Amino acid sequence: AQSVTQLDSHVSVSEGTPVLLRCNYSSSYSPSLFWYVQHPNKGLQLLLKYTSAATLVKGINGFEAEFKKSETSFHLTKPSAHMSDAAEYFCVVSDQNRNAGNMLTFGGGTRLMVKP
Amino acid sequence: NAGVTQTPKFQVLKTGQSMTLQCAQDMNHNSMYWYRQDPGMGLRLIYYSASEGTTDKGEVPNGYNVSRLNKREFSLRLESAAPSQTSVYFCASRLRGFGYTFGSGTRLTVV
Repeated sequence: AQSVTQLDSHVSVSEGTPVLLRCNYSSSYSPSLFWYVQHPNKGLQLLLKYTSAATLVKGINGFEAEFKKSETSFHLTKPSAHMSDAAEYFCVVSDQNRNAGNMLTFGGGTRLMVKP
Repeated sequence: NAGVTQTPKFQVLKTGQSMTLQCAQDMNHNSMYWYRQDPGMGLRLIYYSASEGTTDKGEVPNGYNVSRLNKREFSLRLESAAPSQTSVYFCASRLRGFGYTFGSGTRLTVV
């Protein structure tokens, strides 16, 4: 079985300061890991994904995440927050060895607020 | 534009009414999925279809049925809507080995 825990339901930062959104996962097999972003009243957009290549993954809009197997973590970071980063972020795990299309398991989401 | 199209975008139902949420993708993806999104719970899988002609239950299938009409279309039906089904519904598709593409969502309110 696989599961995802996003450790903070809300994170608030000031514009120009670093962003850290925390995610821990469990998976029986070699996982693929994703971060999705959802802006208000919008659909889900893929930020980045890890699929057993480099452990440091760079995504869109300056975000990156580091896969740490020993810590079962996949935290999302950005050096400098922008107002447009305010959104809800989902950490997602996909079990590569499952049948039927590698289903996704979503974390509960972290709402990022950016203060001017 | 290529992608996943969901209709309708918004819907209000009375308890006991039925409706079908439509989803179509034009990317020739094999797998399609229906998720529901509730506050603090992330997205939970309702049903999925690994390929044309097959469907399987996900995490929260009760109260829903699905049809994989062809490779492009995967519909979700509520036979007798309940207030607990008030949610935002997302359809997604995937080609094995590649990422997922999500629709823009359907906001459903059951009163």
